[in-house]
Amino acid sequence: GAGVSQSPSNKVTEKGKDVELRCDPISGHTALYWYRQSLGQGLEFLIYFQGNSAPDKSGLPSDRFSAERTGGSVSTLTIQRTQQEDSAVYLCASSFQTSQETQYFGPGTRLLVL
Amino acid sequence: GIQVEQSPPDLILQEGANSTLRCNFSDSVNNLQWFHQNPWGQLINLFYIPSGTKQNGRLSATTVATERYSLLYISSSQTTDSGVYFCAVGATDSWGKLQFGAGTQVVVTP
Repeated sequence: GAGVSQSPSNKVTEKGKDVELRCDPISGHTALYWYRQSLGQGLEFLIYFQGNSAPDKSGLPSDRFSAERTGGSVSTLTIQRTQQEDSAVYLCASSFQTSQETQYFGPGTRLLVL
Repeated sequence: GIQVEQSPPDLILQEGANSTLRCNFSDSVNNLQWFHQNPWGQLINLFYIPSGTKQNGRLSATTVATERYSLLYISSSQTTDSGVYFCAVGATDSWGKLQFGAGTQVVVTP
């Protein structure tokens, strides 16, 4: 596609429910990243994919968070048993081949946990 | 982990003015990017600049990796330049992780 797309744009859920966030990277980009942005913590790295593998998962805040990427394209970030502190904007980015390249960001998914 | 400090935290400019934003980082990097987050929240990549100098229109950036800082110059500012400017770095021992600074909030007044 022309740019990185994310869905849904907004998600409101109740505490304890699971949510899935989707990212479609730019066509042909092999590197994909998830970040989150919250008022208190700024922009935080979550996970990096190279193809379908995740060489760096160091930013996932707890085992309630997981991500996968299939077919070297679409990625899904899953948050289980959501907590209020998970409320944030979840951003996806992609780059052409390696991490030492320009990262292009999607519009984000705004998650609110009530 | 690597620390990233941006200054100033806030900047108010009159249209037409020039400004310099600074990014200091605490360790060696192999990746440095500048982003602009517009008022609608979209992050736009301005420069990939782990070293050297680049220019794009009214914007230019310089990174002096040996001294661990980068500068972003905005010339002849316009109201559309308003937003938050982020510096993000990748340490040489990291994979794809970018560590973001806290940002500089820029407001350009007519």
